[in-house]
Amino acid sequence: DSGVTQTPKHLITATGQRVTLRCSPRSGDLSVYWYQQSLDQGLQFLIQYYNGEERAKGNILERFSAQQFPDLHSELNLSSLELGDSALYFCASSVHPEGETEAFFGQGTRLTVV
Amino acid sequence: SQQGEEDPQALSIQEGENATMNCSYKTSINNLQWYRQNSGRGLVHLILIRSNEREKHSGRLRVTLDTSKKSSSLLITASRAADTASYFCATDEEGGTASKLTFGTGTRLQVTL
Repeated sequence: DSGVTQTPKHLITATGQRVTLRCSPRSGDLSVYWYQQSLDQGLQFLIQYYNGEERAKGNILERFSAQQFPDLHSELNLSSLELGDSALYFCASSVHPEGETEAFFGQGTRLTVV
Repeated sequence: SQQGEEDPQALSIQEGENATMNCSYKTSINNLQWYRQNSGRGLVHLILIRSNEREKHSGRLRVTLDTSKKSSSLLITASRAADTASYFCATDEEGGTASKLTFGTGTRLQVTL
């Protein structure tokens, strides 16, 4: 158990809908990362938050947004969903914002858009 | 885009044999990390090697880093069926004000009895 909790584990929704994925980082970790893993694109970095503030942005679509709350949990919002958004979405956390130490990954949320 | 490219894409060996996976990357880095992913599960950190280190060991794992060639290798000795998984290298790029791990494409390792 990595200590990172992601909910829900599975999500099936229709095109055009909006979903929210939730992540609770490991106790004491201030940095949260979101990744998307799909068969054709591999593991893609989406966005990073550190202590409530956006720290780095990767290949995140404008239809996607995220935030980190004062209690350090994070949410990834995906809207106007398309079939191609079907993927595993991982949250990871680390102590430092600069990637100097290992990242701990949650078990992921498997999103299926039908 | 992918920073790292693992080679081979897939590897099948018998239990007890050694497995070697290679990773090449494109930019200067602060450190390189290796992760394991069991099918459809979260990634598990294996080992981190800093840019000023050349070799690191952890149990049955041995990692080398050659910054001049922008490459790293992961050696798993005396493999076990439980080592069956995908292995990813991830780089922390040098020079950014904020960093994120950039993952390679992964090597799928199959260890058979």
